[in-house]
Amino acid sequence: DGGITQSPKYLFRKEGQNVTLSCEQNLNHDAMYWYRQDPGQGLRLIYYSQIVNDFQKGDIAEGYSVSREKKESFPLTVTSAQKNPTAFYLCASSIDRAGPTTEAFFGQGTRLTVV
Amino acid sequence: GQQVMQIPQYQHVQEGEDFTTYCNSSTTLSNIQWYKQRPGGHPVFLIQLVKSGEVKKQKRLTFQFGEAKKNSSLHITATQTTDVGTYFCTYNFNKFYFGSGTKLNVKP
Repeated sequence: DGGITQSPKYLFRKEGQNVTLSCEQNLNHDAMYWYRQDPGQGLRLIYYSQIVNDFQKGDIAEGYSVSREKKESFPLTVTSAQKNPTAFYLCASSIDRAGPTTEAFFGQGTRLTVV
Repeated sequence: GQQVMQIPQYQHVQEGEDFTTYCNSSTTLSNIQWYKQRPGGHPVFLIQLVKSGEVKKQKRLTFQFGEAKKNSSLHITATQTTDVGTYFCTYNFNKFYFGSGTKLNVKP
């Protein structure tokens, strides 16, 4: 089955720790995205990547880091510098950069809780 | 970046009533997409509109793109409990710009 997989589904982190969220896709998509969603809120873009070995900051990149060493993988690290990391994190991909006929495919999401 | 505004933020309806959510932009958009996110789930693509004045239907859902390509609407006729969720509009230009969403609750 083709799709986009996020792991883990639930993640608990102690304050001051870094944590990495996994996102893998086998759709052969060039572009990948990370969004953050807070309860009752919309989606805010953290980072996006349109091609391997390249990525750009979104609207709320502070306290986060990413890498894009492989086309299939776009892991997100939530660092200790992120002051309020508890949220639902969604990874998405699209066949290429978001042009007028491109749709986004989302993973199931990772719910991160700081304890 | 470019923002799309959605109204209302929340809508509670009785099953069988109609529902409409609106998406507005201050600038002309090349396209509009609509996504649905069920409670606890992830957004799923519903439809895309690219032409001025375009209207598309999916069963009880009707999507419109304004003549000036600055606004769009999603109308659901005779809501059902399966329609519960948050509906997002988005447009894409190098990246996806999501609206704030309209959360629909349907009471049986």
